[in-house]
Amino acid sequence: AQKVTQAQTEISVVEKEDVTLDCVYETRDTTYYLFWYKQPPSGELVFLIRRNSFDEQNEISGRYSWNFQKSTSSFNFTITASQVVDSAVYFCALSEAFMNSGGYQKVTFGIGTKLQVIP
Amino acid sequence: NAGVTQTPKFQVLKTGQSMTLQCAQDMNHEYMSWYRQDPGMGLRLIHYSVGAGITDQGEVPNGYNVSRSTTEDFPLRLLSAAPSQTSVYFCASSYSSGRARGQFFGPGTRLTVL
Repeated sequence: AQKVTQAQTEISVVEKEDVTLDCVYETRDTTYYLFWYKQPPSGELVFLIRRNSFDEQNEISGRYSWNFQKSTSSFNFTITASQVVDSAVYFCALSEAFMNSGGYQKVTFGIGTKLQVIP
Repeated sequence: NAGVTQTPKFQVLKTGQSMTLQCAQDMNHEYMSWYRQDPGMGLRLIHYSVGAGITDQGEVPNGYNVSRSTTEDFPLRLLSAAPSQTSVYFCASSYSSGRARGQFFGPGTRLTVL
């Protein structure tokens, strides 16, 4: 069975600080996908990134960066120079892949990390 | 594109009543799924579908039924509502191939069962 652990339930930082959200996953499959989603106070769920299990390159998008390490089964998310608009709940998720199509099977979410950025 | 639409936005039921939460997408996505979100529990998968006519159970399927007769629609049926089904329900869709990115989520339905 697959599992996603987000050990940090709530984090508070002061604006302009850097913050890292941790995500540890468990899966028996060799092909899988990892995701991060953002849920701002308004409630909608917004896709941030997908990473394939065979691609361990780190990714940077503006102030956001992601560090994927298969050796430690972790997919951590860093926000640099945090802003008040970053205040949200962030979810890490995992999906094992179909053998032939590479598409999604069951997607498992972590319980989320609530980030509060204080001005 | 309207994206993923869900109706209703809010619903109050009495214990034992049945109802259907509607979900539709206009992006020709093969993969659709239903989640419930409860405080401290994250999102839990109820049912999912990888294409019309194909559905499968997720983590918490009991008390819910789904069907997928068309690519666009994926309704979720509560058979006999219970207070434990009070939650926010999200429908999501995505491509079901290696080109898929993340899932697109609907705005959610807030359900209260009295």
